[in-house]
Amino acid sequence: LAKTTQPISMDSYEGQEVNITCSHNNIATNDYITWYQQFPSQGPRFIIQGYKTKVTNEVASLFIPADRKSSTLSLPRVSLSDTAVYYCLVASMNRDDKIIFGKGTRLHILP
Amino acid sequence: KAGVTQTPRYLIKTRGQQVTLSCSPISGHRSVSWYQQTPGQGLQFLFEYFSETQRNKGNFPGRFSGRQFSNSRSEMNVSTLELGDSALYLCASRLGGGETQYFGPGTRLLVL
Repeated sequence: LAKTTQPISMDSYEGQEVNITCSHNNIATNDYITWYQQFPSQGPRFIIQGYKTKVTNEVASLFIPADRKSSTLSLPRVSLSDTAVYYCLVASMNRDDKIIFGKGTRLHILP
Repeated sequence: KAGVTQTPRYLIKTRGQQVTLSCSPISGHRSVSWYQQTPGQGLQFLFEYFSETQRNKGNFPGRFSGRQFSNSRSEMNVSTLELGDSALYLCASRLGGGETQYFGPGTRLLVL
């Protein structure tokens, strides 16, 4: 299983764009990258998933460079309600491996 | 489609008792995973069931067990509860292998 490394915490201000980078140096060919958001006392919520280059949905963008050893979650124009813990996961498309969460990044949005 | 549901949402038990938590996956999902979340240890993987068979297991003592039924609903059981078992227990489902997991709201267990 590819290990991931993320910053423990980040602060930003409302209206700013926030970029959270995740390092996964030993990502395998069949691995894809998934980001989850978690609010206190709730289950993690799927945000976005990608394999390479750029993926965008209604809430975020995911940038993955050609070597795939890192990825960046981009949240445009954050609000106070984006204060949460964000988890980066790397898992295989083809195997039945258990999905292990790291410590995540605690994002705090300030007014 | 309805999401993952977990019951009960809150539970208070005393040391030495046992507890059973229930999880109903998204319709059509055959895999159910369980996680324990505490402030100190974060999200820790307990086990995963697929088609009524335990497919993966985390590093928890034998007091933690689970099962899955033919309709993919899953239960986890914790026997001889300890104070340290107080946590948010999360269930997640996915279609089979390799797909995205979707989480339920969790069961908050307090052991006194």
